[in-house]
Amino acid sequence: NAGVIQTPRHKVTGKGQEATLWCEPISGHSAVFWYRQTIVQGLEFLTYFRNQAPIDDSGMPKERFSAQMPNQSHSTLKIQSTQPQDSAVYLCASSLGANSDYTFGSGTRLLVI
Amino acid sequence: AQSVTQPDARVTVSEGASLQLRCKYSYSGTPYLFWYVQYPRQGLQLLLKYYSGDPVVQGVNGFEAEFIKSNSSFHLRKASVHWSDSAVYFCAVSRTGGYKVVFGSGTRLLVSP
Repeated sequence: NAGVIQTPRHKVTGKGQEATLWCEPISGHSAVFWYRQTIVQGLEFLTYFRNQAPIDDSGMPKERFSAQMPNQSHSTLKIQSTQPQDSAVYLCASSLGANSDYTFGSGTRLLVI
Repeated sequence: AQSVTQPDARVTVSEGASLQLRCKYSYSGTPYLFWYVQYPRQGLQLLLKYYSGDPVVQGVNGFEAEFIKSNSSFHLRKASVHWSDSAVYFCAVSRTGGYKVVFGSGTRLLVSP
């Protein structure tokens, strides 16, 4: 079991460009979560999917962020027109079911210059 | 809604000393409680979890936590810390039947030689 796989590990984009982050959850896990982590804000919830369906996107900045889960083997987080304040570590996690613990990926470190 | 408070942003202890990291949660029902650890440049990893039974739960690497319902607390303890325990520790809570886990702001632990 390779765990939750996030790609790329590091991404540098220019201001105004698009960034797409990938997450491959653990096979058999029904829920996938996205978090953003910065020094200032800490760990922020963005969105989650259950059985590929979007359930809660209350943490997503509405205008430029979107997330999808087209199949059970991967999810993407897309940031359009990236801004320097989007620089952060984006963490993906998956869980088996209700009240299960999360398995996190190693994260994607996004730097917008 | 659930919430978690970790009142100590940073804790420094000497190697070999005992440790307690504080966590208080807010939830009107029976909570599912977790402690996670994050080492540099890695995702979060589960240390231990609690739902019912013995209020003192054992985790990995000699960590344990005690659930005290009357105080809404779930403090993490270790009898003797090692330099490799230096990391950020997150307390988290979910409601019964819930998929989404709410994380605290984290406590950065530094173990000095």
